[in-house]
Amino acid sequence: IAGITQAPTSQILAAGRRMTLRCTQDMRHNAMYWYRQDLGLGLRLIHYSNTAGTTGKGEVPDGYSVSRANTDDFPLTLASAVPSQTSVYFCASSGTFSGEQYFGPGTRLTVT
Amino acid sequence: AQTVTQSQPEMSVQEAETVTLSCTYDTSESDYYLFWYKQPPSRQMILVIRQEAYKQQNATENRFSVNFQKAAKSFSLKISDSQLGDAAMYFCAYRSASGTYKYIFGTGTRLKVLA
Repeated sequence: IAGITQAPTSQILAAGRRMTLRCTQDMRHNAMYWYRQDLGLGLRLIHYSNTAGTTGKGEVPDGYSVSRANTDDFPLTLASAVPSQTSVYFCASSGTFSGEQYFGPGTRLTVT
Repeated sequence: AQTVTQSQPEMSVQEAETVTLSCTYDTSESDYYLFWYKQPPSRQMILVIRQEAYKQQNATENRFSVNFQKAAKSFSLKISDSQLGDAAMYFCAYRSASGTYKYIFGTGTRLKVLA
C-alpha cells in the first residue's frame, strides 16, 4: 500500500441499506477526513479526525458516522442510505504540521 | 467561519498561453495555509502548489505560480505555457495553521486548454 486506498471504487446501493466506505492510509498521518464532491459544490467536509480516538463533524455530517479506532483506518458509514447521498466520496489525510492533504482515489456511490 | 470563493466556474486558454485562476478567501486568522489542487478526469486530487501565510514570497512550482495578496485575501494561480495536460478542475483550499486542521475548499474552476 502506498498513500491512501479506498474501497469500493464504486457502488450502487438501494435506499434504506447500510453501507460502509473504507479508507486506509499508510503514511502515519494523524489527521483524516471524509469529503463528498457534488457538481458545482466542490468538496464538502463530512467528518474529520485529528488523531486516533477522536472525531469531529464537518459541514454536512447528517446521515453519516465515522470511527477512528487506529491511526490508519477511517471508515465512513451510511446507516440508512438516501438518494441525496449519491455522490463521489473522497478520503484524505494530512500530517498536522505539514499542511498538505493527500487524497484517496474516491468512491462513486449511487443510491437508488 | 472561513470561506473560499472561486468566482470563475470555467476558463479557457490557448495552448502555450498563460492563464490566471482567481481565488479569494475570508478569515480572521493570521496564520494559515493556502493550496491549489488539480483534479483531472481521472478524479484523482493532485496538489499543485501551497503557500504559507507568513511567507511574503509567492510560491512557484515550475510553470505554476501564485499571486498571494494577504491584505486583500486573494490567492490566484498562474499557469504559464499551458499544456493540454493542464485541462482539469482546479480547487483553491484554505487550512488554519492551528486548531482542528479542517480544510475549506472553493467550488472549483474548470480549465479548458485549446489546441
